[in-house]
Amino acid sequence: DIQMTQSPSSLSASVGDRVIITCRASQGIAKSLAWYQQKPGEAPKVLLYSASRLDTGAPSRFSGSGSGTDYSLTINNLQPEDFATYYCQQYYSTPDTFGQGTKLEIK
Amino acid sequence: QLAQSGGGLVQPGGSLKLSCEVSGFSLSDSEMNWVRQTPGRGLEWLSYISSRGTSILYADSVRGRFTTSRDTAKNSLFLQMNSLKVEDTAMYYCARRRYGDFDRWGQGTLVTVAS
Repeated sequence: DIQMTQSPSSLSASVGDRVIITCRASQGIAKSLAWYQQKPGEAPKVLLYSASRLDTGAPSRFSGSGSGTDYSLTINNLQPEDFATYYCQQYYSTPDTFGQGTKLEIK
Repeated sequence: QLAQSGGGLVQPGGSLKLSCEVSGFSLSDSEMNWVRQTPGRGLEWLSYISSRGTSILYADSVRGRFTTSRDTAKNSLFLQMNSLKVEDTAMYYCARRRYGDFDRWGQGTLVTVAS
């Protein structure tokens, strides 16, 4: 199985900040990576797929980049509704695997 | 929309069947999955069924105990869970696979395995 190592596990930031969350795969995944946002009591919601393609409905302040084994999610101009937990997912090979999550909290 | 039902409390060794009724799209046109989540293990993919229903895959952790099926006439997806273990306690989600990502999720249903 491909292991996804996400960092940091938690992050404190302020409204208006820019934050970066990274995800490293244990082997190359050819940009077969998605990012999700999850709020308490809700299902995850996809933000980006194919590493950098923004899902319709996801705000443009979210962006993704990366290749090979290393990927990142950037959130520009943090808004109050962005404080949540974020997960990466590789779908390059079965089984799909997820990062352990990054909890983004208000500073 | 994906509306889930069927969770609850069950004893170790017991069985439970989860349902996921979809609307707004057809299961015949969609690849569907089951994913579970626990505070300790995070998100874990469990099972996949192809749009034609001819290919069904399972995670090692549930293969031989869980069975995914569907009823296209009712546009419903099912997860039959047998020989349940304490470690199967989790929130279970059905989800539609798009390009590999999961673009639609059910609301989740909680399964608790305890004596």
